Order: sequence, then structure tokens, then C-alpha cells
Amino acid sequence: EAQVTQNPRYLITVTGKKLTVTCSQNMNHEYMSWYRQDPGLGLRQIYYSMNVEVTDKGDVPEGYKVSRKEKRNFPLILESPSPNQTSLYFCASSLYPGGNTEAFFGQGTRLTVV
Amino acid sequence: AQSVTQLDSQVPVFEEAPVELRCNYSSSVSVYLFWYVQYPNQGLQLLLKYLSGSTLVKGINGFEAEFNKSQTSFHLRKPSVHISDTAEYFCAVSDRSGGYNKLIFGAGTRLAVHP
Repeated sequence: EAQVTQNPRYLITVTGKKLTVTCSQNMNHEYMSWYRQDPGLGLRQIYYSMNVEVTDKGDVPEGYKVSRKEKRNFPLILESPSPNQTSLYFCASSLYPGGNTEAFFGQGTRLTVV
Repeated sequence: AQSVTQLDSQVPVFEEAPVELRCNYSSSVSVYLFWYVQYPNQGLQLLLKYLSGSTLVKGINGFEAEFNKSQTSFHLRKPSVHISDTAEYFCAVSDRSGGYNKLIFGAGTRLAVHP
């Protein structure tokens, strides 16, 4: 089954404790991205990747890092989480970064930073 | 840069009634438009998309949307809703201003269908 898998689904952590949210897709997609969803703001792009070893900042990159060492994986790293990073996070992938291609989303990771 | 406005944050409606969820985007020479649905505790899935051609687009689960270039709108409609349509709906536009195509999302509309 074609899917984007994120782990964990739920995470509670303390301020400053490094964490990684994993994302994996099995569709051989080139383009992957991370979004955060906040009430009243919709989804905002954090980082994206055009292909292996090619990543760039989205609209709200501060406090986040990503890597793309393999085509299928695109982890999101919070080196020193803060309470304002409490949010619902989604990983997405699409065949290529063309505007006419469908984006497939993971189930989401609800992160709480206390 | 593109922006998307969803005019209603919440829309309550009774089962079997028609519904319209409104979406406006800022103007652009070339634009692709999408509606995504998010069911409780799930990720987003594509309902329908407008790329070119006919301005009336049909999607899954009986939804349709009409692209109106002069009014820069892409409203989502369904003639008769079910309880199972209760979800959050996101309008999105593909923005090419950054040198690549990326999705710009609206704030979302929460559709609540009541029996």
C-alpha cells in the first residue's frame, strides 16, 4: 500500500531535549516536505527536499533541521525544542515538485513541549 | 506570493442539506488549486484538484468545486452531506513564486454535520 509513515504519532517532551520525528514513503517520490498545523493558521511549510541531499527552508524553519540521505526518508530534527513548537506535524511527499502533482500526507505527529 | 483565504472557520449543517465551503486565493497568472480533507486523527487526503480545462471539477465522495478566475475563487460544494463528511477541509494553491511549486494552505474550515 502506498503510504507516508510518520513516527511517533504522539510525543510529549521537555524543553531542550533533542528529538527526531521520522518520515518514510514507499512511493519513490522525489519531493518531500514537513508542515506544522496550528489552529487558525492552516498548514505551514517548515522544510522541503527536492531529492537526496537537496533540502531547503520553507516558511517557518527556525528551530528545525532536516536531512535527506535516502530517497525514502526525511526526518525532522528539533535540536532544542521549545514550548512554541508544540504543534501537529505532517510529513508529505509527491512524485516531483511540480504544482500539478498530488501530495500524500502522513498521519501526523502531535508534539507537546513542556 | 500566493495566499489563500477560507472565509468560514466553521460550518454547521444538518444531514442531507447542501453545503458550500468558500475559498479565495490571490491572483496569479498560472495557478493550480486543491481541496484536501482531514478526518479526525488522520492526515490530509486529496478531495479534488483544478489544473486546467473545465472549471467544474468533480472529486471523491460526491464533492465538486468550481474555479472562477474573475473572482479568484474555488468554492467546494456538496448537494447532500452525510454525518461521515464531518471533517476539516483545506483549500490550497500551488505557488510558483519561490522558483518551485509549493502548496499554500488556507486556515481550514471545520464542517460539522448534525443528524
